[in-house]
Amino acid sequence: QQQVKQSPQSLIVQKGGISIINCAYENTAFDYFPWYQQFPGKGPALLIAIRPDVSEKKEGRFTISFNKSAKQFSLHIMDSQPGDSATYFCAARANTGNQFYFGTGTSLTVIP
Amino acid sequence: EAGVAQSPRYKIIEKRQSVAFWCNPISGHATLYWYQQILGQGPKLLIQFQNNGVVDDSQLPKDRFSAERLKGVDSTLKIQPAKLEDSAVYLCASSLKVILTGEQYFGPGTRLTVT
Repeated sequence: QQQVKQSPQSLIVQKGGISIINCAYENTAFDYFPWYQQFPGKGPALLIAIRPDVSEKKEGRFTISFNKSAKQFSLHIMDSQPGDSATYFCAARANTGNQFYFGTGTSLTVIP
Repeated sequence: EAGVAQSPRYKIIEKRQSVAFWCNPISGHATLYWYQQILGQGPKLLIQFQNNGVVDDSQLPKDRFSAERLKGVDSTLKIQPAKLEDSAVYLCASSLKVILTGEQYFGPGTRLTVT
């Protein structure tokens, strides 16, 4: 059973455009929602994270929007750049033991 | 600050052979995770340690996989015997046992190919 559902599987965006990746969850015990960026041959790296008591968090060009009632959260990449081309994973952490559950990933390609 | 170290980076073995992976977490990180990442998928937790105790190993195929974390620092993950479906990247991650943050930091992974 996939604890965190992520879409789309792949995304192609023009340079300067907005990239949007969506995730949904069911488990109300999740208390921390990070996004990771992974380049080929590398491990995932924490990009930005949010807690459910906040509806939005922005760091530079990256914004997380969080809808607690809908159990959905999304990553917005503003002014997308070719260097943003990578695979993005959403994740959720259970408050019962610090376990992290990952989405299936979104392959983002930013076209120059 | 040094990151999470893993070795080897690549390993090719034949099915039914055994293999071991090593992980050295960030200094001071009490929590250590092993994940399996199959090509095109998100990381799947295999086992989680808190210091040298196991917190969660519910998704670890215990008939062939084993892991230990001696002295609460380094950890090894072993597969014996390996199957073709074990071909994946094995990621180690660590985090502080802190309720408020919870960030985990990943190593570069070990890419295992079973032929």
